[in-house]
Amino acid sequence: GENVEQHPSTLSVQEGDSAVIKCTYSDSASNYFPWYKQELGKRPQLIIDIRSNVGEKKDQRIAVTLNKTAKHFSLHITETQPEDSAVYFCAALPRRAGTALIFGKGTTLSVSS
Amino acid sequence: DAGVTQSPTHLIKTRGQQVTLRCSPKSGHDTVSWYQQALGQGPQFIFQYYEEEERQRGNFPDRFSGHQFPNYSSELNVNALLLGDSALYLCASSLAMVPYNEQFFGPGTRLTVL
Repeated sequence: GENVEQHPSTLSVQEGDSAVIKCTYSDSASNYFPWYKQELGKRPQLIIDIRSNVGEKKDQRIAVTLNKTAKHFSLHITETQPEDSAVYFCAALPRRAGTALIFGKGTTLSVSS
Repeated sequence: DAGVTQSPTHLIKTRGQQVTLRCSPKSGHDTVSWYQQALGQGPQFIFQYYEEEERQRGNFPDRFSGHQFPNYSSELNVNALLLGDSALYLCASSLAMVPYNEQFFGPGTRLTVL
């Protein structure tokens, strides 16, 4: 089955710096890759997603890139702010019946001012 | 527009007991997925319900069972609770007919097994 590896597990940056989180997946048939942000004690919320037919997608300070050949995708946050501090999860959707997301173990991002 | 709701918020049980968790999907959604999130880990898929049937199942034992009702709400049942079942249980709803659709998560139920 699908397996998603996420790195780093923790990331500390200064306000205004960029942050990059990387994920790799094992199932080449996976076709949808969302990123979720989970603040302490709250539910995961989708921040950006990318389909397998797209190489890059941007939404203001957030961007995601996908390399299907290497089977990895990355989250880029520019001009980080203290409110970006949270746990970020990448996920992959294997191409089979159902919509069961396979999640990485998460990255704890800390942005200090 | 009501989002995904779950009840109860917190639950404390002892080993061997049984528990039922409840989820109401986002308005208009017909598919409910359940995930277990252990402390410091990513959510792990338990199973998914669509049209009142279990459509897909993750690597969880038969002690974990579920149900979906005609109004699309869902229950997760766990029998013979173990200490390792302590986790945040999340449900997520989506619309089956929309490909690559966002799954909306509920706030979760924090289960503690003593």
